[in-house]
Amino acid sequence: DAGVIQSPRHEVTEMGQEVTLRCKPISGHNSLFWYRQTMMRGLELLIYFNNNVPIDDSGMPEDRFSAKMPNASFSTLKIQPSEPRDSAVYFCASSPFPGLAGGATVNEQFFGPGTRLTVL
Amino acid sequence: DAKTTQPPSMDCAEGRAANLPCNHSTISGNEYVYWYRQIHSQGPQYIIHGLKNNETNEMASLIITEDRKSSTLILPHATLRDTAVYYCIVRVAGAGGTSYGKLTFGQGTILTVHP
Repeated sequence: DAGVIQSPRHEVTEMGQEVTLRCKPISGHNSLFWYRQTMMRGLELLIYFNNNVPIDDSGMPEDRFSAKMPNASFSTLKIQPSEPRDSAVYFCASSPFPGLAGGATVNEQFFGPGTRLTVL
Repeated sequence: DAKTTQPPSMDCAEGRAANLPCNHSTISGNEYVYWYRQIHSQGPQYIIHGLKNNETNEMASLIITEDRKSSTLILPHATLRDTAVYYCIVRVAGAGGTSYGKLTFGQGTILTVHP
C-alpha cells in the first residue's frame, strides 16, 4: 500500500485566494483526520470523519475552513479566503475503524507526508 | 483524556538504549497509552500502545508501571534515524459513539541520538 497520499506537497498562495488540500486515505480505513501543525500551536486536530461522515469539527478554526469526504477514498480541506496566519503544515491521517465492538486500533493513525502551505 | 508530562528533550548515544519517560498520573482504567514519533519534516508515526501489560514490537518496548501512572518507551538500540520528537498520548479505545480517534498531541520529547 502506498500509505496516505496528500497533494500538493507544497502550496504558496496569496492572501485572499482559495486553497484546496487533498487526501487519499489508506484503502480500507474508515476514519480520516485533518491536522494542522505550527511552531506556536503544535499539532492540532481540525476535523475527523468516520465512514465519510464528519464526527467532530470543533477544531476547525473558523468558517473560512471547510472539509469534505465525498467517498471513502478522497477528502478535501478548503480554505477560502486564505490568510497569512493559515500558513502551516497540514497533515491528513487515516485509521482502521474497529466497528461497534470498539478497540484500541482506531487510535493507530497513519499520517501522510503533509502539505506545507504558505500564504503571502 | 488524561494529561501527560514528558521531558522536553533527551540525548542518547548511538547504539545505546533510549528510555523515554511519560507521566500520566490521572489515567483512568479504560485509557490506553500510545506513543508516536515525528521525524523532522515528516508526519507523525505510530510506534506502540498498551493498556497495562508491557508491550514489545519491532520498533520499541513499552513498560507501564503497575499503578499505570507512568510509562517508559524503550528504543533498545538507538540509531541516528531515531532522532525525532516522541509523543506520549493517553486515550480511550474506540467504543462507539463520537469520542474515539481524537488524539491530542502535546509538546513531546525531542530525542537527539548522537554518534
